[in-house]
This record gives sequence, C-alpha cells and structure tokens, in this order.
Amino acid sequence: GAVVSQHPSRVICKSGTSVKIECRSLDFQATTMFWYRQFPKQSLMLMATSNEGSKATYEQGVEKDKFLINHASLTLSTLTVTSAHPEDSSFYICSASSGPLLGGYTFGSGTRLTVV
Amino acid sequence: EDKVVQSPLSLVVHEGDTVTLNCSYEVTNFRSLLWYKQEKKAPTFLFMLTSSGIEKKSGRLSSILDKKELFSILNITATQTGDSAVYLCAVEVYGNKLVFGAGTILRVKS
Repeated sequence: GAVVSQHPSRVICKSGTSVKIECRSLDFQATTMFWYRQFPKQSLMLMATSNEGSKATYEQGVEKDKFLINHASLTLSTLTVTSAHPEDSSFYICSASSGPLLGGYTFGSGTRLTVV
Repeated sequence: EDKVVQSPLSLVVHEGDTVTLNCSYEVTNFRSLLWYKQEKKAPTFLFMLTSSGIEKKSGRLSSILDKKELFSILNITATQTGDSAVYLCAVEVYGNKLVFGAGTILRVKS
C-alpha cells in the first residue's frame, strides 16, 4: 500500500511555455501533499505544502505565481511551472502524507524537467 | 532556521566493508528522524527514529538516534555494490514538514 504516482517522469519544454506535473496517491487518500525540488548533487528542498481544498503554503523564496499548485481532490495534486526558464530545469518530486506507513511519507518517482 | 547536516558528503568503499553515515540536526519542534536511500529517482524509506538509544535494524542496515546529542547514524555492514546510492537524512518537524540534509553519496566498488 501507499503508492504515489508522478507523471511525467521526464519532460523537455521550450522557454516561456508552461509544464504541468501530476502527483496521484493510488491506494490512499492524501489530504496533504508536498512538492520538492532537487538540484544536481544537492538535497531535496521543500517548495510548498498543498492541502486538499485549500491554497498551498509556499516556502520562503518560492514564487507562488510561477509554481502553481492545485490540490483539488484527495488523490491528486498538480504543480504547474509557468513561463518556464532554463533555470527552472531541475528534478521535482512530490510526496504525500501516508499515515503510519513508510515513516509517514510516500514519495513519487520524480519528474526531470529540462527547459531549453 | 532548521538545519540537518550529513557527513561525509561522499565515500568510496570496497564490497564487504562496513560504513557509518552521520546525521546531526538543529531544529525546533523535533518529531522524528528518517533515513532514505535514493537511487536516481524517488527516495525509498529505510528507517524512522523517534526515541533515543533504540536501534532499528533491517538486514545489513541499522540506525540509532541520540536526542541528547542531536545526531543519528546509519550503519551498513558487508556492503554490496547494490548499496551504492545517495543516503538522505531528514528530520520531521511539527507542521508535517521534512527538513533534509544534503545527503551522503556512497559508492561501493566490487
């Protein structure tokens, strides 16, 4: 149990376009999901916390107009990178609160975004 | 500001060696400490530690937490090439947030 599916796994887009990344909890309901960003050889940095049915809480320094988060249902959260630039290229990972399983957090498999 | 520091940043060992990875932390409102293994994609859960002095064990891996000295160690005995990965330490703080360390890159040579 406690599987989180993240799509796409890899995406290349042109500068100025928007990209949507989906994070789904497959066999449990996730009232809270988290979005992280990971630069090469660095650790995961929390970008925002999304709660079903309410606005996301963004970490300091994260532009909420650039990284739009929607958590419209108990099993789906989306991250949209708007007007992407090459510096947005990174590895984005979502996780969901999964109760007592797996330490309480289950991670998606990540999305490698490359902006050209 | 909450902070998690891992050491060493990287190490290379030979198969069969034993390794010890370190994680120290300074956070407000500590809830638990978690260890993950990351191989190119998502982190996979290894251990969650909440109490001092109680060793958690899974096969060749074990971990222990010292809440007085604010650190944890992850031990891997009889290392194998499949243990090569980035090992991440994270501290869960109140508010259901994880603060990650920079990770330790482990490479096991055959």
